Amino acid sequence: KNQVEQSPQSLIILEGKNCTLQCNYTVSPFSNLRWYKQDTGRGPVSLTIMTFSENTKSNGRYTATLDADTKQSSLHITASQLSDSASYICVVSGDDYKLSFGAGTTVTVRA
Amino acid sequence: AAGVIQSPRHLIKEKRETATLKCYPIPRHDTVYWYQQGPGQDPQFLISFYEKMQSDKGSIPDRFSAQQFSDYHSELNMSSLELGDSALYFCASSRPGGVETQYFGPGTRLLVL
Repeated sequence: KNQVEQSPQSLIILEGKNCTLQCNYTVSPFSNLRWYKQDTGRGPVSLTIMTFSENTKSNGRYTATLDADTKQSSLHITASQLSDSASYICVVSGDDYKLSFGAGTTVTVRA
Repeated sequence: AAGVIQSPRHLIKEKRETATLKCYPIPRHDTVYWYQQGPGQDPQFLISFYEKMQSDKGSIPDRFSAQQFSDYHSELNMSSLELGDSALYFCASSRPGGVETQYFGPGTRLLVL
C-alpha cells in the first residue's frame, strides 16, 4: 500500500487562479516532506522541503504547509501561470532517508 | 549552477542486450541515488551510494548493478534487458545528510525492443 496519497489526481484551472494540492502520508517515523514539480519526460525539480518542526515554507508562488500531527501537507499555487502545468509530486522521507513518492497531481493551466 | 548530468539521454536496446547509464552528480555532492520510473508510474528507488560505498538498496533487480567511482560519478549497468525495463531512469545527488534536497538529473529514457 502506497504510504503517500495525493489528491486530486488531476485538475484544470484557469490562468491567474489559485489551487491547492493535498498530500496525506503514513510514513513513520517521519523525517521530512518534499514537494517536487515534474514536467513531462523530465526530472523532478525540488520546490520545498520541510521537517516535522516546520509548518509552512514558500518558494515564489508555491507555498507548502505541513501538519505532522495529522500527517497532512498541502501545496498552494498562487496566481497560476501556463508554465505551472506539470505533475506535482509529494515525497516523504522516513528516518532511513528512503523516499516514498506519491502518485502526483497533474495540473493543467489554461489561458 | 551546475546540475546533475546523465548520459545518454535516450537509449534503445534489444532484449537480452546490456546497457550502461552514467550519472555525474553536482560538484561537492557525494551521494548518488538511482530511480526507475515506468510509464505513468511513480519513481521507484533502486540504489544509492555514499562516498563510493553502497548506502542503500531498493527494488533493483539482480540483473542490474551499479557503482560509484572516485570522482563520485556513478554508473548503472543493466544486463539481460527485458521489455519491462523500458523506463525513465533518474539519477539524483545530494550533499551528506538525509534532509538534504535530492537534485534530480534529466533522466535517461531507455527503450527495450
